[in-house]
Amino acid sequence: SQQGEEDPQALSIQEGENATMNCSYKTSINNLQWYRQNSGRGLVHLILIRSNEREKHSGRLRVTLDTSKKSSSLLITASRAADTASYFCVALNQAGTALIFGKGTTLSVSS
Amino acid sequence: DTAVSQTPKYLVTQMGNDKSIKCEQNLGHDTMYWYKQDSKKFLKIMFSYNNKELIINETVPNRFSPKSPDKAHLNLHINSLELGDSAVYFCASSQDRTGLAIQYFGAGTRLSVL
Repeated sequence: SQQGEEDPQALSIQEGENATMNCSYKTSINNLQWYRQNSGRGLVHLILIRSNEREKHSGRLRVTLDTSKKSSSLLITASRAADTASYFCVALNQAGTALIFGKGTTLSVSS
Repeated sequence: DTAVSQTPKYLVTQMGNDKSIKCEQNLGHDTMYWYKQDSKKFLKIMFSYNNKELIINETVPNRFSPKSPDKAHLNLHINSLELGDSAVYFCASSQDRTGLAIQYFGAGTRLSVL
């Protein structure tokens, strides 16, 4: 499989600050999704961006996608302690035969 | 009313044993997945089934064998367990196999091989 890479691997911020996570991948993709994982739990879907979209918003989340650079970013604005979790980007390759995961960014938001 | 349920939640066993993890989804989805998450939280897909047909089969040891008796179930059987198999295994399902489909994850099975 072709893994993606998330950057940074760990991020610590204060409540109210913005958090930006980046994801890069190596192959052509169909679409890209971001998921969140709380400690000891399964992943929960946050937002999906199609390969023909460049930016998408959902509440305090903003996702960008640059297919020429093969990268995506997730911005969480006005972070809260409850945002503390690991965040993964996931993409399906264009052949539909491989799911590409990043290693995850662990976000810690302190109050 | 759990959408994706997997059992058991915890599994502690000895090296060399054979074990199974079960997964069931009540969402009416066509596609199901098995993932392995290691101690460093790196998440890796192992298998994906669409309507009981294997569509993604990553490089995993052939000691791992998925079985899909129907599209609502995808069980994972592991033979001759090794220490390196210790991890959290997640089952997931999605409406279909396209990249537009949101995946719904189970709570995970923590496997410890002693």
